[in-house]
Amino acid sequence: GAGVSQSPRYKVAKRGQDVALRCDPISGHVSLFWYQQALGQGPEFLTYFQNEAQLDKSGLPSDRFFAERPEGSVSTLKIQRTQQEDSAVYLCASSLDGGRGTQYFGPGTRLLVL
Amino acid sequence: QKEVEQNSGPLSVPEGAIASLNCTYSDRGSQSFFWYRQYSGKSPELIMSIYSNGDKEDGRFTAQLNKASQYVSLLIRDSQPSDSATYLCAVNTGGGNKLTFGTGTQLKVEL
Repeated sequence: GAGVSQSPRYKVAKRGQDVALRCDPISGHVSLFWYQQALGQGPEFLTYFQNEAQLDKSGLPSDRFFAERPEGSVSTLKIQRTQQEDSAVYLCASSLDGGRGTQYFGPGTRLLVL
Repeated sequence: QKEVEQNSGPLSVPEGAIASLNCTYSDRGSQSFFWYRQYSGKSPELIMSIYSNGDKEDGRFTAQLNKASQYVSLLIRDSQPSDSATYLCAVNTGGGNKLTFGTGTQLKVEL
């Protein structure tokens, strides 16, 4: 079946621009996660949804980062007033049963802020 | 101390040899442990999950977990050049709501 999909795959933004990154999880997966991966590092947790409820947003680096999943399926990660340090790969993952279960990753969105 | 620690490598092994990748973690409450493989420019791909102490085998891969020592490892038998990638250790932390990753170990399998 279809895996996790993300769009766009690549995004170039000028500093100060707002961006929106989309994630479409595996059908039936109630849990959805966003991670940020800098070059040469492992992914770092940003936020977690159980259906439409955002249960953990402790990893969001600033109030410029906002995530939503209004209908419990597709999620959007929005970054306002992008800065150069926001340049990274943003990974979305989904799982059937929360953080203890296996998380399956999408292809990621590579964001470059100039 | 980082929550999940891995040697960044690179770890070089000859084709056909056993590659041994190690990971330690600090959260004693962790219950789920995962190994992901990541090729350059690609997203992490699940290799193994392990939840109980001991060994778990799947084909050429064996995961080993020792909760008392807070240690998890991955053995790759009969290493192939296609196994060359970065291997990420991931541990369920934060009360179960997220994965914490190590920085990854780069494996190079040489002909």
